[in-house]
Amino acid sequence: GENVEQHPSTLSVQEGDSAVIKCTYSDSASNYFPWYKQELGKGPQLIIDIRSNVGEKKDQRIAVTLNKTAKHFSLHITETQPEDSAVYFCAAIITGNQFYFGTGTSLTVIP
Amino acid sequence: NAGVTQTPKFQVLKTGQSMTLQCAQDMNHNSMYWYRQDPGMGLRLIYYSASEGTTDKGEVPNGYNVSRLNKREFSLRLESAAPSQTSVYFCATNRDRGVDEQYFGPGTRLTVT
Repeated sequence: GENVEQHPSTLSVQEGDSAVIKCTYSDSASNYFPWYKQELGKGPQLIIDIRSNVGEKKDQRIAVTLNKTAKHFSLHITETQPEDSAVYFCAAIITGNQFYFGTGTSLTVIP
Repeated sequence: NAGVTQTPKFQVLKTGQSMTLQCAQDMNHNSMYWYRQDPGMGLRLIYYSASEGTTDKGEVPNGYNVSRLNKREFSLRLESAAPSQTSVYFCATNRDRGVDEQYFGPGTRLTVT
């Protein structure tokens, strides 16, 4: 099956700085790559996703890039704010099959 | 519109006890999933139900059973709980297994002593 690796496992940034989280996947058939944000005591919530026919997608302060050749994708958060502090998960999916999640990145934004 | 709800939020069991975790969705989705979340291991799929009346094993099904009671409800049962089943359990849904975005419930934190 698919193997998704996520780095780093923890990340601390100063408020206003940028944060980057990277994931790699193993199955070249994967075609959908969502990112989830999980706040303490809550379930994961989708924040942005990208499909394999697109190289980059942006939504306000967050963006995701995909390099299909290298089989990696990244989450970029600019102008970080304390409310961005959470655990972020990436996932890789072949449509119609199960989700394979990364192991999560705990992001702390220091005011 | 509550989305995906799970009960209970917390549970403590003794080894060997049984319990059922409940999940309900009001999104009219066909597919439902049970995951467990352990530190450093991300989310792992236990069982899923692609549509009403069907269930299939995921990555870590041992020690669990599921029932897709109707389109709205998908329950997870531990027949004889073990300490290794201490975890946070999440239910998720999506419109169809071929349609990608999944929506998660708030989770059940289970401790087995």
